[in-house]
Amino acid sequence: DARVTQTPRHKVTEMGQEVTMRCQPILGHNTVFWYRQTMMQGLELLAYFRNRAPLDDSGMPKDRFSAEMPDATLATLKIQPSEPRDSAVYFCASGLTGTGVGELFFGEGSRLTVL
Amino acid sequence: GENVEQHPSTLSVQEGDSAVIKCTYSDSASNYFPWYKQELGKRPQLIIDIRSNVGEKKDQRIAVTLNKTAKHFSLHITETQPEDSAVYFCAAAEPGRRALTFGSGTRLQVQP
Repeated sequence: DARVTQTPRHKVTEMGQEVTMRCQPILGHNTVFWYRQTMMQGLELLAYFRNRAPLDDSGMPKDRFSAEMPDATLATLKIQPSEPRDSAVYFCASGLTGTGVGELFFGEGSRLTVL
Repeated sequence: GENVEQHPSTLSVQEGDSAVIKCTYSDSASNYFPWYKQELGKRPQLIIDIRSNVGEKKDQRIAVTLNKTAKHFSLHITETQPEDSAVYFCAAAEPGRRALTFGSGTRLQVQP
């Protein structure tokens, strides 16, 4: 049963610290997404990659967030420096996209708390 | 870009009743409309989807309808059961943009 794997599952950190979240997409999927979930904003798209190339990161605060995909098996989302308003659940999802979108498979999420 | 609005934000029904959740979208070019279910503390999972070339799709107790002219689509759950209790998200995708824009979610509570 292929699944998207995210680490860490939970992270508590102090304001100003660097946070790195990692995602292993399902083998063979060509598109990887980072979504942020808060009570107020629902599922908010931060960035996504297709065939490892960044397609859109307009949803990310550029001054503190960065997303990369160093190889086909790893996507990272980094926050530096972290702030209390970054507290949320960060979901990675992967899918197989051609000319359009298909089913997205979500990881279990990384719950971030910034004190 | 696409904007998706979802109503209601919370919905409480008695077991066995039907539940309807509605979404509207802004970009008339959008052509793919999935629904995801997220149980408490779990990941969102696809339950049904529809493309713009059809008006309705059913899968057992769930159905989705699409009105392209009015730019809205709805999720219908019949004979609700306690295990249907979850947050439901609608989404839309524009052609050429390979990402989903999600609605704000509906928390469905099915009372036994």
